[in-house]
Amino acid sequence: DQQVKQNSPSLSVQEGRISILNCDYTNSMFDYFLWYKKYPAEGPTFLISISSIKDKNEDGRFTVFLNKSAKHLSLHIVPSQPGDSAVYFCAADTGTASKLTFGTGTRLQVTL
Amino acid sequence: NAGVTQTPKFRILKIGQSMTLQCTQDMNHNYMYWYRQDPGMGLKLIYYSVGAGITDKGEVPNGYNVSRSTTEDFPLRLELAAPSQTSVYFCASRFLQGLGTEAFFGQGTRLTVV
Repeated sequence: DQQVKQNSPSLSVQEGRISILNCDYTNSMFDYFLWYKKYPAEGPTFLISISSIKDKNEDGRFTVFLNKSAKHLSLHIVPSQPGDSAVYFCAADTGTASKLTFGTGTRLQVTL
Repeated sequence: NAGVTQTPKFRILKIGQSMTLQCTQDMNHNYMYWYRQDPGMGLKLIYYSVGAGITDKGEVPNGYNVSRSTTEDFPLRLELAAPSQTSVYFCASRFLQGLGTEAFFGQGTRLTVV
């Protein structure tokens, strides 16, 4: 039972354009959501998070949007840069259980 | 500040052998986690700990054991290694006290069972 889903395994975007990565979840108890970035042969690194009491959080070029009614979140990267090429994971947490459930990842390639 | 340190980085095991993957963190985090990542898949939780002396199973605990005798260390033990345990293993830690926070990950241990 995949509680956190990233339905697009890969995405290619031109440098300077917007990258939009999507994530859906099924567990309505999730109240904290995170995005991680992963380069090959490295551990995931934290990018940005959002609490369920908000619908948007920004940090520089990265913005996360949360639509609780649709159980959907998205990560926007504007403008995209070649160094953004990596695998992006979304993760969700219930606060009390605190198990951090991850999606399967989306590989983003930013082309010149 | 070293963060989360995992050793070894690489290991090849023969079927039936045992080994311990080491994980230590120097951030005084209460929560620690072990995940595995198979090719093309996401991170699956093996075990986690909410503090010293307390551990609990995650999504895929079979074939593994953990202990948490100190706040800093969270070793993962593989008994009777099987080819299905070939994977990349990540340890993570976070400080959690009510509100959500990010977890910090180690560099990973790439394990091959032959």
